[in-house]
Amino acid sequence: NSKVIQTPRYLVKGQGQKAKMRCIPEKGHPVVFWYQQNKNNEFKFLINFQNQEVLQQIDMTEKRFSAECPSNSPCSLEIQSSEAGDSALYLCASRPGQTNTEVFFGKGTRLTVV
Amino acid sequence: QQQVRQSPQSLTVWEGETAILNCSYEDSTFNYFPWYQQFPGEGPALLISISSVSDKKEDGRFTIFFNKREKKLSLHITDSQPGDSATYFCAASDKTGFASALTFGSGTKVIVLP
Repeated sequence: NSKVIQTPRYLVKGQGQKAKMRCIPEKGHPVVFWYQQNKNNEFKFLINFQNQEVLQQIDMTEKRFSAECPSNSPCSLEIQSSEAGDSALYLCASRPGQTNTEVFFGKGTRLTVV
Repeated sequence: QQQVRQSPQSLTVWEGETAILNCSYEDSTFNYFPWYQQFPGEGPALLISISSVSDKKEDGRFTIFFNKREKKLSLHITDSQPGDSATYFCAASDKTGFASALTFGSGTKVIVLP
């Protein structure tokens, strides 16, 4: 069972507002991923970290999102100015620092932008 | 470009039957293939995974069959139970390291009728 903890489970924001969600990865997992899952069940990779450093991020994340994984604090993903199209399930996942090992997901934060 | 494809989109079986879910991929660098089970309103839960060095992986009622030459794999759920009703996602990642992101298929919704 996954021990990735995401908060809040649900988030409702108006257009233009900031939306911030948090993630506590499994203990001992240095790699953290954020994905967006839309209403059509499509997954979009957003960003990943190894320890506190950003490894990869897509263009959208770089321009409109703020993300960090500080040591001894939860990871966070923040949309700077929410848009209707950002309504989705945001999933955090973590992975041990070894090749070909499992990726475990949290329950997600359901963001609704009204 | 959809690199991981799943079929069928939805599948209905009777309790006790075997459900067969198909997955294919295009990128020959993919070498790790997890399957996730997702219930409505929840994050995806890792079900079973296989690496490209194996052609079969079994865990209880769940079995992955992998054909590297044809770039295809399938998930068999034997003795299906109503509690198996969920959406199943095939995913893949490549050899660039443990931090490489997963690429997901679009999912197969399985309904098991009692």
